[in-house]
Amino acid sequence: AQSVTQLGSHVSVSEGALVLLRCNYSSSVPPYLFWYVQYPNQGLQLLLKYTSAATLVKGINGFEAEFKKSETSFHLTKPSAHMSDAAEYFCAVSDPGDTGFQKLVFGTGTRLLVSP
Amino acid sequence: GAGVSQTPSNKVTEKGKYVELRCDPISGHTALYWYRQSLGQGPEFLIYFQGTGAADDSGLPNDRFFAVRPEGSVSTLKIQRTERGDSAVYLCASSPRPGRSTEAFFGQGTRLTVV
Repeated sequence: AQSVTQLGSHVSVSEGALVLLRCNYSSSVPPYLFWYVQYPNQGLQLLLKYTSAATLVKGINGFEAEFKKSETSFHLTKPSAHMSDAAEYFCAVSDPGDTGFQKLVFGTGTRLLVSP
Repeated sequence: GAGVSQTPSNKVTEKGKYVELRCDPISGHTALYWYRQSLGQGPEFLIYFQGTGAADDSGLPNDRFFAVRPEGSVSTLKIQRTERGDSAVYLCASSPRPGRSTEAFFGQGTRLTVV
């Protein structure tokens, strides 16, 4: 079965500092990986996805993630944090199974706190 | 609206009661998903519809949970004999077509509280 581990339920950074949110996955087949962001009282929004093309994936709002098969990781980074980045971030893997649809398995989330 | 709409946004019900949660997907989206997000957890898959049929309901926790999508658009998640453990945010998502890499657009969710 597919699974995702997000290290750190909370990450605190200062405005302008590097953001690094960690995600490790377990998958028996080449995975499809996603990062979603959830702002308070809003739905999940896709930041970026890896679908077996380029290993460095660029997303919205200046975020990017690198797929590292040898480390089974898909960490999310942003060079310079902004106050508006404060939110909950979820890493997810698409369970391939025998299905042709996107059955997502999510991590437990990391809350990003940005201080002035 | 342009996005996935879920109603109600909040629902408080008494233990043992029946509830219905509604999802209006983005117009034209054939794939529809329900997830459940408990406090402090990531969303967990419940059920997937392609058109009118439930293609995968393996995530439904027990037979008190049921979902329909009779006309291939609006979906209703139904919970019978609610229990306090059913308290969670129920999320709906839709995609223009099935596929592992196709983006799913999420609604804001319905927060269900069973007292």
